Amino acid sequence: QSVLTQPPSASGTPGQRVTISCSGSSSNIGSNTVNWYQQLPGTAPKLLIHSNNQRPSGVPDRFSGSKSGTSASLAISGLQSEDEADYYCAAWDDSLNGYVFGTGTKVTVL
Amino acid sequence: EVQLVESGGGLVQPGGSLRLSCAASGFTFSSYSMNWVRQAPGKGLEWVSYISSRSSTTYYADSVKGRFTISRDNAKNSLYLQMNSLRDEDTAVYYCARDWVAVTGTHWFDPWGQGTLVTVSS
Repeated sequence: QSVLTQPPSASGTPGQRVTISCSGSSSNIGSNTVNWYQQLPGTAPKLLIHSNNQRPSGVPDRFSGSKSGTSASLAISGLQSEDEADYYCAAWDDSLNGYVFGTGTKVTVL
Repeated sequence: EVQLVESGGGLVQPGGSLRLSCAASGFTFSSYSMNWVRQAPGKGLEWVSYISSRSSTTYYADSVKGRFTISRDNAKNSLYLQMNSLRDEDTAVYYCARDWVAVTGTHWFDPWGQGTLVTVSS
């Protein structure tokens, strides 16, 4: 059962900006940094953003992350067809002594 | 190239056991903590378990605590997940993932293996 809440879906046309929210609590997002993972259809998840806003090498700068209080967001600017995927936020939870994922958001490029 | 390859998945009856393996290559396995994450068919990601680099610390999700055991063999560059008393709801693709930790204590997973499917059904 996910403790981080995301909208189930988001969409946009090519070139648009799409934002995905992630809502948590004081024991996870409120006290730890947030990571984002991208899962393309039929593949394993891939790290997209770590430590709230850090992009690993190879991740386009179209992807950006931010955090405020117990919420975080992922923005995709200049949306491209290859961005169609499921996106998950995640953070360590101090109360559960475990890692928690968001409910996931399916991004569709119209 | 950093690579994680899971194996050991398959069909098992409820109440049965299965042992998953994850073979690591391309990095110093003994220097990194590791995790198991699962994904039920058509569902989201669920963290399962964590083990520190020298096996001194382990954590489990409440849903598997007391039934699953994570372990590793640094000499063999391998991670394991012993799954006992399996239930229908354990049916999922199981991924192993390398753990990164910042000086602030935050964790993230990179990379992930391709996953192995476990089906619990009679």
